[in-house]
Amino acid sequence: GQNIDQPTEMTATEGAIVQINCTYQTSGFNGLFWYQQHAGEAPTFLSYNVLDGLEEKGRFSSFLSRSKGYSYLLLKELQMKDSASYLCAVRDYGNTPLVFGKGTRLSVIA
Amino acid sequence: GAGVSQSPSNKVTEKGKDVELRCDPISGHTALYWYRQSLGQGLEFLIYFQGNSAPDKSGLPSDRFSAERTGGSVSTLTIQRTQQEDSAVYLCASSSDGDNQPQHFGDGTRLSIL
Repeated sequence: GQNIDQPTEMTATEGAIVQINCTYQTSGFNGLFWYQQHAGEAPTFLSYNVLDGLEEKGRFSSFLSRSKGYSYLLLKELQMKDSASYLCAVRDYGNTPLVFGKGTRLSVIA
Repeated sequence: GAGVSQSPSNKVTEKGKDVELRCDPISGHTALYWYRQSLGQGLEFLIYFQGNSAPDKSGLPSDRFSAERTGGSVSTLTIQRTQQEDSAVYLCASSSDGDNQPQHFGDGTRLSIL
């Protein structure tokens, strides 16, 4: 079966660093994606990992360990506008549809 | 436009009516996906079109749901004899060829069944 697990909610302080974890069990693996979704808006693409290691993109970084079925999204220098849901998604193979976790709702407080 | 366009943005209808939701993908994207997002739930895959191949309908929850993609571009998702449990946000996404290509989402259609 397919299963993506991530925490339901997290709270962090403006200016701080937060790590959002994601574990997955899928029949195949051809990449892991992170999306950001503000309330009432479309998910927007943040990052893609297919090989083990860390991918850095400005304030956001994403890490993957395929042997552990584990990824995290790291957000640095948090800003109030980072308050959103963060969706972890895995692709089984090829260009097939993504399997999504239920998302982690992040609240950034002053 | 530059992004995925969906219409209508909101739809309220009575139980038992049929509805049609439209998706206009990014020009040149060969893959098109429909997902459904209910409150507190993750995105649920519905149907997937890739080029001229037969669509993957494995995510459609019942035979009341169908979708087509004309000319390899615009897609329509149709729900017949709507039920209250069909209430959700229906999201369309498209992507270009390549394993590492992200899916780009439209703003969705918020469907409410009374």
